[in-house]
Amino acid sequence: SYVLTQPPSVSVAPGQTARITCGGNNIGSKSVHWYQQKPGQAPVLVVYDDSDRPSGIPDRFSGSNSGNTATLTISRVEAGDEADFYCQVWDSLSDHYVFGTGTKVTVL
Amino acid sequence: QVQLQESGPGLVKPSETLSLTCTVAGGSISHYYWNWIRQPPGKGLEWIGYIHYSGKINYNPSLRSRVTISVDTSKNQFSLKLSSVTAADTAVYYCARQKDAGNENWFDPWGQGTLVTVSS
Repeated sequence: SYVLTQPPSVSVAPGQTARITCGGNNIGSKSVHWYQQKPGQAPVLVVYDDSDRPSGIPDRFSGSNSGNTATLTISRVEAGDEADFYCQVWDSLSDHYVFGTGTKVTVL
Repeated sequence: QVQLQESGPGLVKPSETLSLTCTVAGGSISHYYWNWIRQPPGKGLEWIGYIHYSGKINYNPSLRSRVTISVDTSKNQFSLKLSSVTAADTAVYYCARQKDAGNENWFDPWGQGTLVTVSS
């Protein structure tokens, strides 16, 4: 089955830029979605279709996808951005949905 | 704005069947795909399966033999049954909506989640 690999953790200082990667075989050919999950809360969609933002999501959140890596970028990081982040794709071969392993973002 | 709410027992005995319901408020259950996703404590997300209001279903192959998802359009609800549970099925269970199963396959919104513990 299709596997998505994320770094377990990313640390970033306030005001700096955090980059979270999501690796998968030829992931650039798929649409990637990203979710933010704060402690004790349900995941929230922050980027869909590689780089689009739902209504209400700050433009500090952006995404890109090429080759074997998709990336979620958080600019001007704030303390409130501290959370777990998950990528997700549709594996068309098996017709089911796969989540990445998750990345904990810590704001120093 | 559509909201989803999970309900069901928080404790299930090993070998029994876990049953949960998701109520959809603020919108119709028609024309979308309705999913169950779970998250064991301290771990990542796992997609369980979906149902379309038309009755089309799709299950994660790893759970297919134990999972049943159904929909009740008259109540604007859909349900999950997971049979022969073990401690490994202890998790927070979320329901979530998809616009489409193929191209627009992101999950949004999600319910708040409900913790189900499997223990005797």
